[in-house]
Amino acid sequence: DQQVKQNSPSLSVQEGRISILNCDYTNSMFDYFLWYKKYPAEGPTFLISISSIKDKNEDGRFTVFLNKSAKHLSLHIVPSQPGDSAVYFCAAKRYGNKLVFGAGTILRVKS
Amino acid sequence: GAGVSQSPSNKVTEKGKDVELRCDPISGHTALYWYRQSLGQGLEFLIYFQGNSAPDKSGLPSDRFSAERTGGSVSTLTIQRTQQEDSAVYLCASSFGTSGDNEQFFGPGTRLTVL
Repeated sequence: DQQVKQNSPSLSVQEGRISILNCDYTNSMFDYFLWYKKYPAEGPTFLISISSIKDKNEDGRFTVFLNKSAKHLSLHIVPSQPGDSAVYFCAAKRYGNKLVFGAGTILRVKS
Repeated sequence: GAGVSQSPSNKVTEKGKDVELRCDPISGHTALYWYRQSLGQGLEFLIYFQGNSAPDKSGLPSDRFSAERTGGSVSTLTIQRTQQEDSAVYLCASSFGTSGDNEQFFGPGTRLTVL
């Protein structure tokens, strides 16, 4: 039972344009959502998060949107930079519980 | 270094052998998690420890897998009688607590290859 889904295995974007990474979830009990970024041979690093009581959270070039009715969240990166090229994981959790991760989306930003 | 460290970084073993993977969490972090990432897959939760509470073992795939956390700090993940399907990157993470805004910091992982 895959509770968190990232249906796009990869995404290619031109430098300076917007990158939009999508994530869907099935468990309505999730109350916190996170995005992690992972470079090869490194562990994932936290990028941005959002509580289920909000619908938007912004941090510099990164914005996460949450649509609870659709059980959908997205990560927007504007403007995209070559250094943003990495694997992006969407994750969800309930209070006190482990993270449930999606399969990841490989983002490639072309210069 | 102030980050989560894991050892070894790479481990190659023969099918049927036991392996131990080590995680040193960030000092002061009360919660410690183990995940694994198989080829082409997302991160899969294995087990987590929170303070002195009983660990949540709900993600361990079989009874060949076990983990302990000594003194509330270092953790060891043990896989007995390894199988080829155990090949994966095993990631450890730690956090101050387990509430939503307690970020989990990940180590670099141990790449396990079972021949």
